[in-house]
Amino acid sequence: DAGVIQSPRHEVTEMGQEVTLRCKPISGHNSLFWYRQTMMRGLELLIYFNNNVPIDDSGMPEDRFSAKMPNASFSTLKIQPSEPRDSAVYFCASSLGQGRGGTEAFFGQGTRLTVV
Amino acid sequence: AQSVSQHNHHVILSEAASLELGCNYSYGGTVNLFWYVQYPGQHLQLLLKYFSGDPLVKGIKGFEAEFIKSKFSFNLRKPSVQWSDTAEYFCAVNADNAGNMLTFGGGTRLMVKP
Repeated sequence: DAGVIQSPRHEVTEMGQEVTLRCKPISGHNSLFWYRQTMMRGLELLIYFNNNVPIDDSGMPEDRFSAKMPNASFSTLKIQPSEPRDSAVYFCASSLGQGRGGTEAFFGQGTRLTVV
Repeated sequence: AQSVSQHNHHVILSEAASLELGCNYSYGGTVNLFWYVQYPGQHLQLLLKYFSGDPLVKGIKGFEAEFIKSKFSFNLRKPSVQWSDTAEYFCAVNADNAGNMLTFGGGTRLMVKP
């Protein structure tokens, strides 16, 4: 398996524009997580899906952020409108979600977002 | 909700020095425990994990960690660090009341001087 795949790897956008980050989890994994990493706040969990259903979105900073998982092999994180303080590295991770070892998370390479 | 504390934010060592990074968590029930490493500019990768059994867990690259339930700790150790171990290290906990969610500590930045 190619692992968790995220796109794009880098995104530079102007303030006010819509940004969509994409994630393909490992095939067969039932849980998917979106994290944001910054120097100031470290690694933050934004939202967590299980079987395509959002379970905990308490980490989503505000209404400008939304996430979807229309099927087991694809998820998006959208920011609309984007602001400079959204600049960060966004990681997607997936896990089996069941059985022994089901909570081990596998991370994608991340998307480095810069909002100017 | 559970929390994970990594008390050392920055550690600087010389090559061949021994390493111990602290990790404490707050949950009193059953936990799964992990250490992840993030090399500069890269994503998080698993170093080692504990689910049950022997509380001394051995991982990749000579790392090990010991689960001490009475102390709610899962400290990471390596007897002799190398320059290539320069990275950020994250402790993570899954509590049995949290579904599949991992709670991460704040991370420890390790710099190894050649």
